[in-house]
Amino acid sequence: SQQGEEDPQALSIQEGENATMNCSYKTSINNLQWYRQNSGRGLVHLILIRSNEREKHSGRLRVTLDTSKKSSSLLITASRAADTASYFCATGIGGSNYKLTFGKGTLLTVNP
Amino acid sequence: DTGVSQDPRHKITKRGQNVTFRCDPISEHNRLYWYRQTLGQGPEFLTYFQNEAQLEKSRLLSDRFSAERPKGSFSTLEIQRTEQGDSAMYLCASSREQGVLKQYFGPGTRLTVT
Repeated sequence: SQQGEEDPQALSIQEGENATMNCSYKTSINNLQWYRQNSGRGLVHLILIRSNEREKHSGRLRVTLDTSKKSSSLLITASRAADTASYFCATGIGGSNYKLTFGKGTLLTVNP
Repeated sequence: DTGVSQDPRHKITKRGQNVTFRCDPISEHNRLYWYRQTLGQGPEFLTYFQNEAQLEKSRLLSDRFSAERPKGSFSTLEIQRTEQGDSAMYLCASSREQGVLKQYFGPGTRLTVT
């Protein structure tokens, strides 16, 4: 079963715009991670935020975590065509520090 | 890091045949994971190894599925008597035992059962 649910399912923007994706989850977590997947390929880790953190930055990425609402958001600023991919949130649930549970993903299309 | 590699990248097989996939993790990673991903879905956890020990198996891993990691390095995932519902991308990932929980994924093996 899916622990996280990303929203929206699909997002289409123009190059240079910002893209925001949201993730909601159901149970308590140790951490939340965001991964990117280009079409038909493996996943690439983007950023990890721990349950005691509220915001984290990495380059053009900004992640927030609200454990009271069981939600996270991923912001990509100044998007590029190369950012076109599916984005997944993944949670390490309960006492598990290894088993990741992924959402269904947001398909981001950045038009040049 | 040379990255996680998987072989083959694509496999087409007829229903009822057996298939085996291989995963070579990043060399210093103790942990190895298998996931399955169907179209439009996120990856779903199948099983996990720490060194050569298989420590957890998902309910998704039916009796037709078996995974091994005999020397704590590469791993194989075998599916016996394949069914059309087994068609999916099979992803392997690896990570260090301690510290950051980030998993490094391979490119996946896409299985099509006809």
